[in-house]
Amino acid sequence: QKEVEQNSGPLSVPEGAIASLNCTYSDRGSQSFFWYRQYSGKSPELIMSIYSNGDKEDGRFTAQLNKASQYVSLLIRDSQPSDSATYLCAGGDSWGKLQFGAGTQVVVTP
Amino acid sequence: DAGVIQSPRHEVTEMGQEVTLRCKPISGHDYLFWYRQTMMRGLELLIYFNNNVPIDDSGMPEDRFSAKMPNASFSTLKIQPSEPRDSAVYFCASSPSSRSRETQYFGPGTRLLVL
Repeated sequence: QKEVEQNSGPLSVPEGAIASLNCTYSDRGSQSFFWYRQYSGKSPELIMSIYSNGDKEDGRFTAQLNKASQYVSLLIRDSQPSDSATYLCAGGDSWGKLQFGAGTQVVVTP
Repeated sequence: DAGVIQSPRHEVTEMGQEVTLRCKPISGHDYLFWYRQTMMRGLELLIYFNNNVPIDDSGMPEDRFSAKMPNASFSTLKIQPSEPRDSAVYFCASSPSSRSRETQYFGPGTRLLVL
């Protein structure tokens, strides 16, 4: 049974709009959360990490964490065609082990 | 830094053959992870090492799979004998120790096709 759940998409977003990606997790032992971006045929690339409740902003990306609701989200502002990729949510335990979701495919349309 | 290096990048083999995948982690990283990615099952952790010692191999699918890390700069994942259902992309990742160990850096992957 998957412990990290994401909508598979595709999520179609007009260029310049905000893309909103959601992730839920079942393991309350998860202490850290990550968003990886994976282009087709490429390896996952870390874009955001978040460890405490609230928001964390980095450029056009904002990660949000709510541990009480076991919910993580990623907002991509001013979406660009180069943001078209699959976004993987992952939860980490105290040993550094990550549990990945299946990923959400984002398609930014010009 | 060159990043995580994996070889070969592509491998095509026949069922029953032995397959060996190789990984060189980022220098100074103490953790090394092997993942498998398929459309059906997504990204799955197979095994990970800390300071060359296997810590958790609960994700290794069966005895046909084995992994070693003889030193800090080299690891192998071996499948013997290989089966068509082993076809997948295999990623190696490494991370630094202590507070940043959840920050994993992935190699380019090995795309394996077993006929």
